[in-house]
Amino acid sequence: DAGVTQSPTHLIKTRGQQVTLRCSPKSGHDTVSWYQQALGQGPQFIFQYYEEEERQRGNFPDRFSGHQFPNYSSELNVNALLLGDSALYLCASSLRALGNTEAFFGQGTRLTVV
Amino acid sequence: QQPVQSPQAVILREGEDAVINCSSSKALYSVHWYRQKHGEAPVFLMILLKGGEQKGHEKISASFNEKKQQSSLYLTASQLSYSGTYFCGLRSGSARQLTFGSGTQLTVLP
Repeated sequence: DAGVTQSPTHLIKTRGQQVTLRCSPKSGHDTVSWYQQALGQGPQFIFQYYEEEERQRGNFPDRFSGHQFPNYSSELNVNALLLGDSALYLCASSLRALGNTEAFFGQGTRLTVV
Repeated sequence: QQPVQSPQAVILREGEDAVINCSSSKALYSVHWYRQKHGEAPVFLMILLKGGEQKGHEKISASFNEKKQQSSLYLTASQLSYSGTYFCGLRSGSARQLTFGSGTQLTVLP
Protein backbone atom coordinates (compact mmCIF):
# COMPACT_ATOMS: atom_id res chain seq x y z
CA ASP A 1 0.00 0.00 0.00
CA ALA A 2 1.59 3.23 -1.15
CA GLY A 3 1.54 5.96 1.41
CA VAL A 4 1.25 9.64 0.60
CA THR A 5 3.35 10.54 -2.42
CA GLN A 6 4.43 14.01 -3.43
CA SER A 7 6.11 15.34 -6.53
CA PRO A 8 8.53 16.74 -7.29
CA THR A 9 10.87 16.15 -4.35
CA HIS A 10 12.95 19.25 -5.02
CA LEU A 11 12.30 22.37 -7.04
CA ILE A 12 14.17 25.60 -7.70
CA LYS A 13 12.21 28.59 -8.97
CA THR A 14 12.93 32.23 -9.61
CA ARG A 15 11.19 35.02 -7.72
CA GLY A 16 7.95 35.98 -9.45
CA GLN A 17 7.40 32.61 -11.07
CA GLN A 18 4.56 30.22 -10.41
CA VAL A 19 4.82 26.65 -9.11
CA THR A 20 2.55 23.61 -8.87
CA LEU A 21 3.12 20.85 -6.36
CA ARG A 22 1.30 17.52 -6.45
CA CYS A 23 0.09 15.06 -3.85
CA SER A 24 -1.47 11.61 -4.02
CA PRO A 25 -3.11 10.60 -0.75
CA LYS A 26 -2.81 7.27 0.97
CA SER A 27 -5.10 4.67 -0.54
CA GLY A 28 -8.61 5.01 0.89
CA HIS A 29 -8.13 8.55 2.15
CA ASP A 30 -10.36 11.35 0.92
CA THR A 31 -9.02 14.46 2.66
CA VAL A 32 -5.82 16.29 1.81
CA SER A 33 -4.19 19.02 3.86
CA TRP A 34 -1.20 21.11 2.83
CA TYR A 35 1.40 22.48 5.21
CA GLN A 36 4.43 24.74 4.83
CA GLN A 37 7.44 23.96 6.99
CA ALA A 38 10.22 26.52 7.26
CA LEU A 39 13.64 25.37 8.42
CA GLY A 40 13.63 24.66 12.15
CA GLN A 41 9.90 25.25 12.50
CA GLY A 42 6.80 23.14 12.81
CA PRO A 43 4.47 22.67 9.84
CA GLN A 44 2.07 25.58 9.24
CA PHE A 45 -1.40 24.79 7.90
CA ILE A 46 -2.17 26.21 4.45
CA PHE A 47 -5.54 24.66 3.55
CA GLN A 48 -7.54 21.44 3.47
CA TYR A 49 -9.49 19.86 0.63
CA TYR A 50 -12.38 17.46 0.85
CA GLU A 51 -14.90 16.55 -1.88
CA GLU A 52 -12.95 18.77 -4.27
CA GLU A 53 -13.59 21.88 -2.20
CA GLU A 54 -11.39 23.96 0.05
CA ARG A 55 -12.86 23.37 3.51
CA GLN A 56 -10.52 25.31 5.77
CA ARG A 57 -7.71 27.75 5.23
CA GLY A 58 -4.83 28.95 7.33
CA ASN A 59 -3.27 32.37 7.38
CA PHE A 60 -1.81 32.33 3.86
CA PRO A 61 -2.35 34.88 1.08
CA ASP A 62 -4.42 34.26 -2.03
CA ARG A 63 -1.22 33.55 -3.96
CA PHE A 64 -1.59 30.08 -2.48
CA SER A 65 -4.36 28.13 -4.13
CA GLY A 66 -5.21 24.50 -4.54
CA HIS A 67 -7.32 21.91 -6.19
CA GLN A 68 -8.55 18.42 -5.45
CA PHE A 69 -9.41 15.97 -8.20
CA PRO A 70 -12.12 13.27 -8.24
CA ASN A 71 -9.46 10.64 -7.43
CA TYR A 72 -8.66 12.65 -4.24
CA SER A 73 -5.22 13.74 -5.43
CA SER A 74 -4.43 17.38 -4.94
CA GLU A 75 -2.33 20.25 -6.23
CA LEU A 76 -0.92 23.27 -4.47
CA ASN A 77 -0.26 26.32 -6.64
CA VAL A 78 1.78 29.30 -5.58
CA ASN A 79 1.84 32.42 -7.77
CA ALA A 80 4.27 35.34 -7.78
CA LEU A 81 6.84 33.46 -5.74
CA LEU A 82 8.72 35.32 -3.02
CA LEU A 83 12.05 34.42 -1.46
CA GLY A 84 10.13 33.76 1.76
CA ASP A 85 8.15 30.99 0.09
CA SER A 86 11.26 28.80 0.22
CA ALA A 87 10.29 25.90 2.48
CA LEU A 88 9.36 22.24 2.67
CA TYR A 89 5.77 21.76 1.53
CA LEU A 90 4.06 18.79 3.12
CA CYS A 91 0.88 17.06 2.13
CA ALA A 92 -1.08 15.04 4.67
CA SER A 93 -4.01 12.75 3.99
CA SER A 94 -6.72 11.39 6.23
CA LEU A 95 -10.17 9.81 6.09
CA ARG A 96 -12.80 12.33 7.07
CA ALA A 97 -15.43 9.76 8.02
CA LEU A 98 -13.23 8.47 10.81
CA GLY A 99 -13.23 11.87 12.45
CA ASN A 100 -10.27 12.61 14.61
CA THR A 101 -7.64 10.21 13.34
CA GLU A 102 -4.02 10.46 12.44
CA ALA A 103 -2.90 12.26 9.32
CA PHE A 104 -0.26 10.59 7.18
CA PHE A 105 2.37 12.88 5.73
CA GLY A 106 4.24 12.66 2.47
CA GLN A 107 8.00 13.21 2.16
CA GLY A 108 7.41 16.77 1.05
CA THR A 109 8.58 19.00 -1.76
CA ARG A 110 11.58 21.19 -1.00
CA LEU A 111 10.98 24.50 -2.80
CA THR A 112 13.82 26.96 -3.16
CA VAL A 113 13.07 30.42 -4.55
CA VAL A 114 16.09 32.33 -5.82
CA GLN B 1 -2.25 30.25 18.33
CA GLN B 2 0.84 28.08 18.18
CA PRO B 3 1.35 25.61 21.06
CA VAL B 4 4.47 25.98 23.17
CA GLN B 5 6.80 22.99 23.40
CA SER B 6 9.48 22.43 26.01
CA PRO B 7 12.30 21.77 26.14
CA GLN B 8 13.48 23.03 22.75
CA ALA B 9 16.24 20.43 22.69
CA VAL B 10 17.38 17.51 24.79
CA ILE B 11 20.35 15.16 24.62
CA LEU B 12 20.14 11.70 26.17
CA ARG B 13 22.18 8.55 26.48
CA GLU B 14 20.65 5.28 25.33
CA GLY B 15 18.40 3.88 28.03
CA GLU B 16 17.58 7.23 29.62
CA ASP B 17 14.09 8.70 29.86
CA ALA B 18 12.73 11.97 28.50
CA VAL B 19 9.57 14.03 28.81
CA ILE B 20 8.42 16.49 26.17
CA ASN B 21 5.72 18.99 27.06
CA CYS B 22 3.18 20.85 24.94
CA SER B 23 0.86 23.57 26.19
CA SER B 24 -1.83 25.71 24.63
CA SER B 25 -3.74 28.83 25.49
CA LYS B 26 -6.85 27.49 23.70
CA ALA B 27 -9.28 24.78 24.76
CA LEU B 28 -8.21 21.56 23.11
CA TYR B 29 -10.13 18.83 21.38
CA SER B 30 -7.18 16.58 20.73
CA VAL B 31 -3.40 16.44 20.77
CA HIS B 32 -1.40 14.70 18.05
CA TRP B 33 2.27 13.78 18.42
CA TYR B 34 4.64 13.29 15.48
CA ARG B 35 8.34 12.57 15.11
CA GLN B 36 10.32 13.87 12.16
CA LYS B 37 13.80 12.77 11.23
CA HIS B 38 15.99 15.02 9.16
CA GLY B 39 14.86 15.06 5.53
CA GLU B 40 11.91 12.78 6.19
CA ALA B 41 8.15 13.11 6.59
CA PRO B 42 6.65 13.54 10.05
CA VAL B 43 5.59 10.13 11.38
CA PHE B 44 2.49 9.71 13.50
CA LEU B 45 3.08 8.59 17.08
CA MET B 46 -0.08 9.14 19.08
CA ILE B 47 -3.41 10.92 19.39
CA LEU B 48 -4.89 11.91 22.74
CA LEU B 49 -8.56 12.80 22.65
CA LYS B 50 -10.70 14.84 24.97
CA GLY B 51 -12.21 12.36 27.38
CA GLY B 52 -9.10 10.28 27.76
CA GLU B 53 -9.04 8.07 24.68
CA GLN B 54 -5.60 7.38 23.23
CA LYS B 55 -4.61 5.95 19.90
CA GLY B 56 -1.00 5.12 19.16
CA HIS B 57 1.16 2.87 17.12
CA GLU B 58 4.34 2.67 19.12
CA LYS B 59 5.42 1.77 22.66
CA ILE B 60 5.31 5.30 23.98
CA SER B 61 3.00 6.95 26.45
CA ALA B 62 1.50 10.37 26.80
CA SER B 63 -0.86 12.33 28.98
CA PHE B 64 -3.46 14.97 28.20
CA ASN B 65 -4.60 17.37 30.88
CA GLU B 66 -7.72 18.99 29.45
CA LYS B 67 -8.08 21.40 32.33
CA LYS B 68 -4.56 22.75 31.98
CA GLN B 69 -4.58 22.40 28.19
CA GLN B 70 -1.31 20.51 28.34
CA SER B 71 0.08 17.28 27.00
CA SER B 72 3.28 15.41 27.78
CA LEU B 73 5.03 12.70 25.79
CA TYR B 74 7.00 10.14 27.78
CA LEU B 75 9.92 8.36 26.17
CA THR B 76 11.32 5.62 28.39
CA ALA B 77 14.49 3.59 27.91
CA SER B 78 15.32 5.66 24.85
CA GLN B 79 16.92 4.04 21.80
CA LEU B 80 19.11 5.57 19.11
CA SER B 81 16.13 5.40 16.75
CA TYR B 82 14.20 7.83 18.97
CA SER B 83 16.38 10.70 17.76
CA GLY B 84 14.51 13.30 15.78
CA THR B 85 12.31 16.34 16.21
CA TYR B 86 9.05 15.82 18.07
CA PHE B 87 6.06 17.98 17.24
CA CYS B 88 2.77 18.30 19.00
CA GLY B 89 -0.18 19.26 16.82
CA LEU B 90 -3.32 20.62 18.41
CA ARG B 91 -6.87 20.51 17.19
CA SER B 92 -9.37 22.82 18.88
CA GLY B 93 -13.05 23.48 18.39
CA SER B 94 -14.45 22.68 14.97
CA ALA B 95 -11.10 23.08 13.25
CA ARG B 96 -9.94 20.06 11.32
CA GLN B 97 -6.40 21.26 10.78
CA LEU B 98 -3.54 20.76 13.18
CA THR B 99 -1.63 23.68 14.66
CA PHE B 100 1.93 22.53 15.34
CA GLY B 101 4.47 23.70 17.88
CA SER B 102 8.01 24.55 16.85
CA GLY B 103 9.30 21.17 17.91
CA THR B 104 11.64 19.53 20.42
CA GLN B 105 14.89 18.18 19.04
CA LEU B 106 15.80 14.91 20.74
CA THR B 107 19.25 13.40 20.32
CA VAL B 108 20.03 9.96 21.73
CA LEU B 109 23.73 9.15 22.03
CA PRO B 110 25.26 5.67 22.38
